[in-house]
Amino acid sequence: GAGVSQTPSNKVTEKGKYVELRCDPISGHTALYWYRQSLGQGPEFLIYFQGTGAADDSGLPNDRFFAVRPEGSVSTLKIQRTERGDSAVYLCASSPGTGGGNTIYFGEGSWLTVV
Amino acid sequence: AQKVTQAQTEISVVEKEDVTLDCVYETRDTTYYLFWYKQPPSGELVFLIRRNSFDEQNEISGRYSWNFQKSTSSFNFTITASQVVDSAVYFCALSDLNSGYALNFGKGTSLLVTP
Repeated sequence: GAGVSQTPSNKVTEKGKYVELRCDPISGHTALYWYRQSLGQGPEFLIYFQGTGAADDSGLPNDRFFAVRPEGSVSTLKIQRTERGDSAVYLCASSPGTGGGNTIYFGEGSWLTVV
Repeated sequence: AQKVTQAQTEISVVEKEDVTLDCVYETRDTTYYLFWYKQPPSGELVFLIRRNSFDEQNEISGRYSWNFQKSTSSFNFTITASQVVDSAVYFCALSDLNSGYALNFGKGTSLLVTP
């Protein structure tokens, strides 16, 4: 597809379980971002990749969260030992490059509910 | 520290009214970028506009217009002759060197346009 694709669109998991969320960026986009949006809030930055490497992971809330982008395209956000507070929409975005002159395009998000 | 402030949490207007959404930002960088995104009920963040700090010209795109004023650190968004389809949450965002050019979002303004 032409846009940023995220799977699954919805995920319900039990507290303590492991979850993986996948993002397929726009073809040719070298920069990939993960954001988290809680109800009634703006998206909060988690991590971004330039190519295969994590250029900035300062937004990851704790060591239960980890993300990879092994081939510089698809990325996976991994959450271990999920907690109810992890429930949110996880948004992936991509841009042609980093630097503020690039427009960042978002996917539709993965709705995570931890019960 | 909050870098983007959208003081209006919710706005309700009647169709065909004009409405202005306020955005005030804070940055120490001389080079920065400002964005507006629309988030309809479907959840996807839709890019509307990007402006850089060196271009204070106001911009008009159809019924949408943006007023960028560095003197007041504001980047306000006006919808002229609002329509029901404009109902959504609108986010203002800042990208600067300090944040590694990741987007810092405001909390959003929920706009409801009624017939």
